[in-house]
Amino acid sequence: NAGVTQTPKFQVLKTGQSMTLQCAQDMNHEYMSWYRQDPGMGLRLIHYSVGAGITDQGEVPNGYNVSRSTTEDFPLRLLSAAPSQTSVYFCASIGTGIYGYTFGSGTRLTVV
Amino acid sequence: GENVEQHPSTLSVQEGDSAVIKCTYSDSASNYFPWYKQELGKRPQLIIDIRSNVGEKKDQRIAVTLNKTAKHFSLHITETQPEDSAVYFCAAVGNTGRRALTFGSGTRLQVQP
Repeated sequence: NAGVTQTPKFQVLKTGQSMTLQCAQDMNHEYMSWYRQDPGMGLRLIHYSVGAGITDQGEVPNGYNVSRSTTEDFPLRLLSAAPSQTSVYFCASIGTGIYGYTFGSGTRLTVV
Repeated sequence: GENVEQHPSTLSVQEGDSAVIKCTYSDSASNYFPWYKQELGKRPQLIIDIRSNVGEKKDQRIAVTLNKTAKHFSLHITETQPEDSAVYFCAAVGNTGRRALTFGSGTRLQVQP
């Protein structure tokens, strides 16, 4: 049981490049979400999913896409990276009837 | 949507003293209030949580209190130790199918030995 696994741990992108941040969980959790954390701020919700095939926008969705083809995976795509997307990204999941989110170890993204 | 405010932003205490962090929330329908501890470069770790049908919960040196009428909740750490030094975040979850966390802006706790 690995919990929530995020890859990569670190990434440097050039402005305009695209990439996908991977997130996988092996706990059969229905709910998955992506957060970004900027210095001096709490985590802000980007996108979330309440189950396979269902996604929706969070607080700061612009510039990001998600999909949920399986229960296990919830990738986050940056369409055209911008310096404002420099941040630490966390994926988190939670199961039905459970309240405590499990977080991945994070991806530190720098856009130059 | 939900808005969570957290105070203070920084807190310095002497080892052995108590520390209190306070949060207020805006959505009266929120029903779950977790607290996370985040060490430098690490993921947030759940340390304690409380549901809206409970007024207080304690786990060893850590306690959380909830006042639904005033829409605020607090984290209390007693007998602080240097290893308690970290950033603490409060959060709230609304009573909707979304189950998304809305976080406060964090409190940097420094415990001086």
